[in-house]
Amino acid sequence: NAGVTQTPKFRVLKTGQSMTLLCAQDMNHEYMYWYRQDPGMGLRLIHYSVGEGTTAKGEVPDGYNVSRLKKQNFLLGLESAAPSQTSVYFCASSRQRTGSGANVLTFGAGSRLTVL
Amino acid sequence: DAKTTQPTSMDCAEGRAANLPCNHSTISGNEYVYWYRQIHSQGPQYIIHGLKNNETNEMASLIITEDRKSSTLILPHATLRDTAVYYCIVKGGATNKLIFGTGTLLAVQP
Repeated sequence: NAGVTQTPKFRVLKTGQSMTLLCAQDMNHEYMYWYRQDPGMGLRLIHYSVGEGTTAKGEVPDGYNVSRLKKQNFLLGLESAAPSQTSVYFCASSRQRTGSGANVLTFGAGSRLTVL
Repeated sequence: DAKTTQPTSMDCAEGRAANLPCNHSTISGNEYVYWYRQIHSQGPQYIIHGLKNNETNEMASLIITEDRKSSTLILPHATLRDTAVYYCIVKGGATNKLIFGTGTLLAVQP
């Protein structure tokens, strides 16, 4: 049981290049999330998805796009990378909310992106 | 979702209990308290959550005050491997977003 897998783990881009980060989960979770983490700022939510085919904006969505074509995958795209997008990106997933209302996230190991 | 306030950093001696406080004075009745931790360069790891009652699992205990305006995460016997940033998050059932703050850096000293 791999949990949440992110690829690639490391990537260096030049300003203006595009790329896609892939997140895959094998836990049949309904919800998936993309966060970014910068030094001293904790984790900030970029986009999230509450089910296949649906996405929503988080705290810092500008400059990113996402897609959830398959339940197990959540893609984060940068169409034109900027140095301000240099960060560590974390994907997470959670199962459908139970009757109790609790929602526990399982995180991936992270993807470190540098934009020159 | 209610905001939380945590100390920036704390120290704890190895083998002693680590008590990490969190204030969430604007919490509402249906909002859960969650604790996660992040060991350097790794993804955050779920520790425990609770609504009203105190909770305990194999990792930690969560003590929530009767008015629910604050809570304490207790690591009963801290080890060097417990050195991490600990995040306290309050989230209601109406949203699916967990908003992380900057957390508390717990340094376990030998």
